[in-house]
Amino acid sequence: DVKVTQSSRYLVKRTGEKVFLECVQDMDHENMFWYRQDPGLGLRLIYFSYDVKMKEKGDIPEGYSVSREKKERFSLILESASTNQTSMYLCASRKARNTEAFFGQGTRLTVV
Amino acid sequence: TQLLEQSPQFLSIQEGENLTVYCNSSSVFSSLQWYRQEPGEGPVLLVTVVTGGEVKKLKRLTFQFGDARKDSSLHITAAQPGDTGLYLCAVNTGGFKTIFGAGTRLFVKA
Repeated sequence: DVKVTQSSRYLVKRTGEKVFLECVQDMDHENMFWYRQDPGLGLRLIYFSYDVKMKEKGDIPEGYSVSREKKERFSLILESASTNQTSMYLCASRKARNTEAFFGQGTRLTVV
Repeated sequence: TQLLEQSPQFLSIQEGENLTVYCNSSSVFSSLQWYRQEPGEGPVLLVTVVTGGEVKKLKRLTFQFGDARKDSSLHITAAQPGDTGLYLCAVNTGGFKTIFGAGTRLFVKA
């Protein structure tokens, strides 16, 4: 059974904190993604990685960075959390282009 | 402006009713995917449509890709409470990106 695991379901952080969101997949997938999901806006792509140590900006990368040191793990970093980064964060992975994406359960982050 | 426009944004119906939701764009795509997201979970792929005019059925769900490959529809026959969720369409753009629409939130009342 394929699995994408996000380290936390719920997080509450203070403004200015550095926040790490972790995502691990056990399917040996090449591509991994981070999205944020907000009401009425759908899923917006923050960053993606098509291979180890490779990363590309998505549509809304400002305020975020990522790390992919190992194939199975893709981390999203909020360098200095702000209240407008309160959102649901979804990690996804897929084997290659034009294949099915598998999602984690999401991390609901609240920045106070 | 979103690349994919989904309508309606929200739909509340009684069990047993039929419904259709839409995913529209001005761009042409080589394929289009439909996902369903249940509360508290990540999206799960339902189907991928590839050929213009293609129709795919998944039990009571019927998916159609427009002839020009710019739009798609999802029709549910005799909706059930278990169909409740957020329905998302998605496309793979040039390169590695997958772009999603904002979704249609469906609520089926028993």
